[in-house]
Amino acid sequence: EDQVTQSPEALRLQEGESSSLNCSYTVSGLRGLFWYRQDPGKGPEFLFTLYSAGEEKEKERLKATLTKKESFLHITAPKPEDSATYLCAALWTSGSRLTFGEGTQLTVNP
Amino acid sequence: GAGVSQSPRYKVAKRGQDVALRCDPISGHVSLFWYQQALGQGPEFLTYFQNEAQLDKSGLPSDRFFAERPEGSVSTLKIQRTQQEDSAVYLCASSHLDPLADEQFFGPGTRLTVL
Repeated sequence: EDQVTQSPEALRLQEGESSSLNCSYTVSGLRGLFWYRQDPGKGPEFLFTLYSAGEEKEKERLKATLTKKESFLHITAPKPEDSATYLCAALWTSGSRLTFGEGTQLTVNP
Repeated sequence: GAGVSQSPRYKVAKRGQDVALRCDPISGHVSLFWYQQALGQGPEFLTYFQNEAQLDKSGLPSDRFFAERPEGSVSTLKIQRTQQEDSAVYLCASSHLDPLADEQFFGPGTRLTVL
């Protein structure tokens, strides 16, 4: 069964303290790896799509990278407004559905 | 509006009642998805439409769940004889054409509580 696993489940950082979130996935047949941000009471907001190992994408303080078996979301010098749940999702060649991980709840304290 | 809208935002149903959840995708978006999100979990795929055609309904948890998109725009997710385990947030997402390449834009969700 195709699976996506995120770690840690929750992460508390001080403002300015850089860190990384991990997303591991079933390797065979991956077509795309997606990162989303979700704020309480809202739907997920698209951040990045990665298609091949070695690919990197950046947006403000966030950088997403993809290896052959996992993806990382690096957060550089986070601010309190970066507090949210970060979701990764995978799309495989076998279908059209996104399979989401359970998310990492990030809290950035001022 | 420019985004995906869903209604109602909140729905409370007594066990055994039928409910209908509505999704208005972004105008012109061909692909439409429904997801179920339990508290503290990631969204789980329910079903996928391309225009009016339901191409994948393998995520619907039981035959009590039914989705339609008769004119290729607005979609309705119907749950018959609701059970407590149906309590969740139901998310709708749309994308322009190719779900593999295009980002999916999500609505705010409908929070369903079954008493």
